[in-house]
Amino acid sequence: ETGVTQTPRHLVMGMTNKKSLKCEQHLGHNAMYWYKQSAKKPLELMFVYNFKEQTENNSVPSRFSPECPNSSHLFLHLHTLQPEDSALYLCASSQSWTSSNEQFFGPGTRLTVL
Amino acid sequence: GQQLNQSPQSMFIQEGEDVSMNCTSSSIFNTWLWYKQDPGEGPVLLIALYKAGELTSNGRLTAQFGITRKDSFLNISASIPSDVGIYFCAGLGYNQGGKLIFGQGTELSVKP
Repeated sequence: ETGVTQTPRHLVMGMTNKKSLKCEQHLGHNAMYWYKQSAKKPLELMFVYNFKEQTENNSVPSRFSPECPNSSHLFLHLHTLQPEDSALYLCASSQSWTSSNEQFFGPGTRLTVL
Repeated sequence: GQQLNQSPQSMFIQEGEDVSMNCTSSSIFNTWLWYKQDPGEGPVLLIALYKAGELTSNGRLTAQFGITRKDSFLNISASIPSDVGIYFCAGLGYNQGGKLIFGQGTELSVKP
C-alpha cells in the first residue's frame, strides 16, 4: 500500500466510449502525475499537476484530458481512444514538482481499447 | 531527449544467486531511483540516491550512484522467489523539476 489508489483497476472500452480514470493520494503531497506504461517500453510521462496547476503536458493527444480538482485527486478523462492507447495507466504523487524526487505510484488502471 | 539504457533486459537466475543490473545515461543526473514492479501493480520505490558515489542498502539490495553521475547499479544478494518482478531505474536531471526519466526495466525470474 503506497498511499496512492486508482480506480478502476481494469477498464475495457470501445473507441466511441467516454470514460474516466481516478487517482487519489493520501500522502499530503502537492504534485500528481499521469504515466502511460506500454509493454517493453519505459514509463512515459503524460501530465503533471503541481498545487493543482498543470505544469507539464508531454505532447499528449487531446483525446486524453486531465483534471485536478484538488491536491489529493487526479482524473484522466478518455474519449474516442484508439486501440494503440491500450496500456497500463499509472498515477503517482510527490511532495511537490520541484522539491521532491521520490514519486509514489498507484497500482495502475489496465486499459483495453477495442 | 534524455535516455536511460538499462541492462540486462531480463535475467533468469537460481534462488540464492546474486543479481546485478545497471543503468547508464548520456547526460548527468542529480538523482537516481530504483523501483520494483510486481505483476499487476505499480512501481514501488526501493532505493533513492542523491549524491555521486553514494552507496545505499535496503536489506539485501544495494545501489550506487556512479561518480560520473551518468550511471547507477543495483545489486540483490542471495535472491529469493519473491524478488521476481521488473526493476526500473529512474534518473532526474538538473533543472528538470520532477520529470523522471525511466529505463526500460530488467525483468527478473528466480528459479526455486
